[in-house]
Amino acid sequence: GAVVSQHPSRVICKSGTSVKIECRSLDFQATTMFWYRQFPKKSLMLMATSNEGSKATYEQGVEKDKFLINHASLTLSTLTVTSAHPEDSSFYICSARGGEGAEPYGYTFGSGTRLTVV
Amino acid sequence: AQSVAQPEDQVNVAEGNPLTVKCTYSVSGNPYLFWYVQYPNRGLQFLLKYITGDNLVKGSYGFEAEFNKSQTSFHLKKPSALVSDSALYFCAVRDRLGKQLTFGSGTQLTVLP
Repeated sequence: GAVVSQHPSRVICKSGTSVKIECRSLDFQATTMFWYRQFPKKSLMLMATSNEGSKATYEQGVEKDKFLINHASLTLSTLTVTSAHPEDSSFYICSARGGEGAEPYGYTFGSGTRLTVV
Repeated sequence: AQSVAQPEDQVNVAEGNPLTVKCTYSVSGNPYLFWYVQYPNRGLQFLLKYITGDNLVKGSYGFEAEFNKSQTSFHLKKPSALVSDSALYFCAVRDRLGKQLTFGSGTQLTVLP
């Protein structure tokens, strides 16, 4: 079945530094990937939709200069949290929608990244 | 705009008893409906989906859900709960033209031994 690998699973960084999170579709090509943020015991908040070869579409209220998304290939999307602050600490999850090999009509999720900014 | 409601933040059930996790939705046209489960510090795992056809959908780990168009509901059920079923459950909907999934707020299921 379709697999999405997300790396790293946990990261601790200092305030003011940048952190990159990778999301890879391992056995299918993902033309569209989604980035979510999840607060403790809360639902997933869609941050942006990442389309291969074009600019990401950000949801209202999400700072595009702070959360940089790059989808340079059909199997890789990255989320970079720039100049991280403690309030950026959260659980970030990616998901992918692709062609053959991906779950039909639905989405495959990465295992998530726990970001802690100190 | 599409939306999903999970009216219960928390559901507690004794092991061996049947469980139900409720979900209602709002979407233009016919929906695609999904249930996902999340364990602590993990991503979402797919349980089951309704696309078309039989209203009763069977999924992973003995879970099933019934699509009820008139009540716009898609409740998740299992005849006999296990302690290992304890997790956070999300219902999600997508319309047939769009790309995005819209998630409910999640229901924490606790199965008591």
